[in-house]
Amino acid sequence: NAGVMQNPRHLVRRRGQEARLRCSPMKGHSHVYWYRQLPEEGLKFMVYLQKENIIDESGMPKERFSAEFPKEGPSILRIQQVVRGDSAAYFCASSPISDSSPLHFGNGTRLTVT
Amino acid sequence: GNSVTQMEGPVTLSEEAFLTINCTYTATGYPSLFWYVQYPGEGLQLLLKATKADDKGSNKGFEATYRKETTSFHLEKGSVQVSDSAVYFCALTSTGSGSARQLTFGSGTQLTVLP
Repeated sequence: NAGVMQNPRHLVRRRGQEARLRCSPMKGHSHVYWYRQLPEEGLKFMVYLQKENIIDESGMPKERFSAEFPKEGPSILRIQQVVRGDSAAYFCASSPISDSSPLHFGNGTRLTVT
Repeated sequence: GNSVTQMEGPVTLSEEAFLTINCTYTATGYPSLFWYVQYPGEGLQLLLKATKADDKGSNKGFEATYRKETTSFHLEKGSVQVSDSAVYFCALTSTGSGSARQLTFGSGTQLTVLP
């Protein structure tokens, strides 16, 4: 019973390049959440998606960041024209429909911008 | 808005010592409270939770009681082990919003247990 799968585990990009982070939720889970963890800080909510819908993107930076969760395939967090300040660990979490169950987190993607 | 304040780290203890990590919160509505643990190089794992006042969450020898009167959810363990070394995050989620499952995290407390 696979958990939340994120890839890649580590991603290195030069300033100005694009970063694509993937997240496959647990089987049966239709809700996906993306969080960012800056060095020495807690996780900060970025975006909440259901299949083909963005429900809440109040934590997403207004520019360069986008997220999708298509009908088929993983959820993608896309960062265009990366800058050094984007270096962080990006965690995906998923949950089933029921609001009473806790979120299950993946192991994260550690993005380094050089 | 919602916020979580956690005890500053790092915390270093000897094996079998008593652990307390303080957590207080500010939230609208009736939040659910959580403790997550992050081992090196891994994602967060749910350690325990409490969904209403006076509930006690417990798991792996860890406990935390939801105290509405003091808006606290302190994590305790009577006898820590080396394998408990990790970062511990207090978190909450509140109801009544369009994104009821959005978690608000504290900044984390690094625990190191020495043999």
